[in-house]
Amino acid sequence: DVKVTQSSRYLVKRTGEKVFLECVQDMDHENMFWYRQDPGLGLRLIYFSYDVKMKEKGDIPEGYSVSREKKERFSLILESASTNQTSMYLCASIDGQGRSSYNEQFFGPGTRLTVL
Amino acid sequence: LAKTTQPISMDSYEGQEVNITCSHNNIATNDYITWYQQFPSQGPRFIIQGYKTKVTNEVASLFIPADRKSSTLSLPRVSLSDTAVYYCLGVGGAGSYQLTFGKGTKLSVIP
Repeated sequence: DVKVTQSSRYLVKRTGEKVFLECVQDMDHENMFWYRQDPGLGLRLIYFSYDVKMKEKGDIPEGYSVSREKKERFSLILESASTNQTSMYLCASIDGQGRSSYNEQFFGPGTRLTVL
Repeated sequence: LAKTTQPISMDSYEGQEVNITCSHNNIATNDYITWYQQFPSQGPRFIIQGYKTKVTNEVASLFIPADRKSSTLSLPRVSLSDTAVYYCLGVGGAGSYQLTFGKGTKLSVIP
């Protein structure tokens, strides 16, 4: 059974803290994604990676960075957390060489982050 | 990437067939229509994908007319466990890696 796991389901941090959200997939997928989901706004892409050490900005990268040192792991970093980054964060991965998105995208369970 | 338009919400009674229509007027020639389902506090899950005409799997059917400007997801005999948000996406092929999720349709199944 394919799996995308995220390090925490719930996280509470304070403004200004550095926050790490970890995502691991066991499907040997090349492509990994970080989204945030907010009520009324749907899912918005923050960053994605199509290979180890490769990354590209999505629609809303400001305030975030990412790291992909190993194929199976994709980390989202909030350098200095702010209250407007309170959200549900979803990690996903997709199979396929290059940048094909025809294949099914597998999502993790999400991390609900609250920044106080 | 195709911009999609769906109803914000729908209600249905248990046992009924539910049809959710999605408009995608500017869909590209090589885009596939893909639907995802999301339960509360979970990530989205792939349901079905098609290019044109009709596709059916164990969960749903997808109807895409010849002009491909819209599509309809059909859920047969829904149950309470089908209460979820359903997203319609236009998905491109090689060279297009990004999925653009809209706001989706919140389906509420009533006993």
